[in-house]
Amino acid sequence: NAGVTQTPKFQVLKTGQSMTLQCAQDMNHNSMYWYRQDPGMGLRLIYYSASEGTTDKGEVPNGYNVSRLNKREFSLRLESAAPSQTSVYFCASRDPYNEQFFGPGTRLTVL
Amino acid sequence: SQKIEQNSEALNIQEGKTATLTCNYTNYSPAYLQWYRQDPGRGPVFLLLIRENEKEKRKERLKVTFDTTLKQSLFHITASQPADSATYLCALVVGHASGGSYIPTFGRGTSLIVHP
Repeated sequence: NAGVTQTPKFQVLKTGQSMTLQCAQDMNHNSMYWYRQDPGMGLRLIYYSASEGTTDKGEVPNGYNVSRLNKREFSLRLESAAPSQTSVYFCASRDPYNEQFFGPGTRLTVL
Repeated sequence: SQKIEQNSEALNIQEGKTATLTCNYTNYSPAYLQWYRQDPGRGPVFLLLIRENEKEKRKERLKVTFDTTLKQSLFHITASQPADSATYLCALVVGHASGGSYIPTFGRGTSLIVHP
């Protein structure tokens, strides 16, 4: 039981490049989330998926897209990366008791 | 506007003492509140959840109180140990949005440093 896994762990992009952050959970949870964490800003919700086939915007969705590929996988895509998207990205899933399980994070730098 | 405030200054205490962290909020009516622990370079780890109709919750050396009148939660670690050193985040959930979604809002966290 690996919990929530994220790939890659680190990534450096140039401005304008695109990439997809991958997230998978093996706990059979319905809900999944993408957050970004910046120094002094705390965790901010980018997008979430309440169940397979649905996605909704969070607090800071601009510049991102998501895909809930199946119950296990929830990916985050940056179509044209900007330096303001330099951050640590966390994926999480939620159990029926409202406990969130977080992945180890992806550290993204956009030059 | 809605705000969640956690002390941005690190809390330094001696081993064996009780650490008390504060989470204050304004313009929220949370259904419940959660506390998470985050170690450097890692994702947050869930610790405790307390509902709006609960005053206090305990788990081993951890205790959380929730005062909806004061709009405040206190998080206590008794008999603190150096291994308790981490950043502690509070998260408020205001209840389910349409479709039953759970949308937490996190505070910025408080760093706890326990000195041996």
